[in-house]
Amino acid sequence: AQSVTQLDSQVPVFEEAPVELRCNYSSSVSVYLFWYVQYPNQGLQLLLKYLSGSTLVKGINGFEAEFNKSQTSFHLRKPSVHISDTAEYFCAVTRNSGNTPLVFGKGTRLSVIA
Amino acid sequence: EAQVTQNPRYLITVTGKKLTVTCSQNMNHEYMSWYRQDPGLGLRQIYYSMNVEVTDKGDVPEGYKVSRKEKRNFPLILESPSPNQTSLYFCASSFSSNPTEAFFGQGTRLTVV
Repeated sequence: AQSVTQLDSQVPVFEEAPVELRCNYSSSVSVYLFWYVQYPNQGLQLLLKYLSGSTLVKGINGFEAEFNKSQTSFHLRKPSVHISDTAEYFCAVTRNSGNTPLVFGKGTRLSVIA
Repeated sequence: EAQVTQNPRYLITVTGKKLTVTCSQNMNHEYMSWYRQDPGLGLRQIYYSMNVEVTDKGDVPEGYKVSRKEKRNFPLILESPSPNQTSLYFCASSFSSNPTEAFFGQGTRLTVV
């Protein structure tokens, strides 16, 4: 079975500063990895995904993530955050074959401070 | 517009009173699922369906039922709600059971008193 650990439950950061949200996964098979964002009072929106190929994945709103197989990590980064990036971010994993659902981490609340 | 629609968005009910939360998608997706979101626990899958008349339990199915009579609809049924089912519920759909892009509904905030 797959599992996801998001190492920080809350991350406060000043506006225009860089940010990294950490995600580690556990799986004995190859996986697909995802980051979702949830703005206040809204559903989840796909930020980016890693399926195969280049380990550096670019997503919406200036976010990117790097898949590191040896460290089983998929950390999310943004070089300069805005107030509008304040949200909860979820890392998720699924097997890349077979009938398995998304497994989510517990979420990281990013708070951008003016 | 491609979307997953949940109703209602907010619901307050009393213990033991049966309720149904509806979910409908307009993308002809085979795979649909229900999650509950609780503080500090992230999203946990309740039930999923790989196609019409095919449903299976997720991680936290106790106290819930689902049905998939039509491809577009996947209602979540609480036969006898209890306060520990107070939560934020999300429906999601995708083209395959390997959700390379899952679309989520706006959520249903349920309070059971």
